[in-house]
Amino acid sequence: AQSVTQPDIHITVSEGASLELRCNYSYGATPYLFWYVQSPGQGLQLLLKYFSGDTLVQGIKGFEAEFKRSQSSFNLRKPSVHWSDAAEYFCAVVGSGTYKYIFGTGTRLKVLA
Amino acid sequence: KAGVTQTPRYLIKTRGQQVTLSCSPISGHRSVSWYQQTPGQGLQFLFEYFSETQRNKGNFPGRFSGRQFSNSRSEMNVSTLELGDSALYLCASSIDGTAYEQYFGPGTRLTVT
Repeated sequence: AQSVTQPDIHITVSEGASLELRCNYSYGATPYLFWYVQSPGQGLQLLLKYFSGDTLVQGIKGFEAEFKRSQSSFNLRKPSVHWSDAAEYFCAVVGSGTYKYIFGTGTRLKVLA
Repeated sequence: KAGVTQTPRYLIKTRGQQVTLSCSPISGHRSVSWYQQTPGQGLQFLFEYFSETQRNKGNFPGRFSGRQFSNSRSEMNVSTLELGDSALYLCASSIDGTAYEQYFGPGTRLTVT
């Protein structure tokens, strides 16, 4: 069955520190992969997406993610975290022709001043 | 281009009542998906519509239903509300629902008392 796992429920980092949020997926073929961010009381905003090609993708707000087929992972990274990055982050996968996005359970990021 | 809009933003209903939520997708987007978000279950897929046809649905009881109109606007209905239906209901639109990213609305916060 298709699934997305975000192993870290909560992560706390200091402002200016680097960040890596983990995402592992289970899918037969190469799916389309996404990272979204949700601020409290808001909808989800797309950070970046991977469809094919270069396995390192750049997104908005200085985020990037790397697709590793051998590890079935799509981890999100940012070299220097800002206090405004505090939010919940969701990894999602959709298989071609399925029309059904599957989301991970999310990672809540706390940023210390 | 205007984003995804959802109405109402907040709703309080009593157990046993029914409710209808509305979603207007981004202009040109023909796919609309609905999600239920709760602290315990995370983001769960309800159903997806494309050109007035439901193409996929999640594992929710028949009390949850939806439809899409010719202008791509969508509604979801929950009948015989239960306390456990209290959640943030998110609508997302995309060009065709599979190979393209979804754009989320701000959600409707439903509270069942």
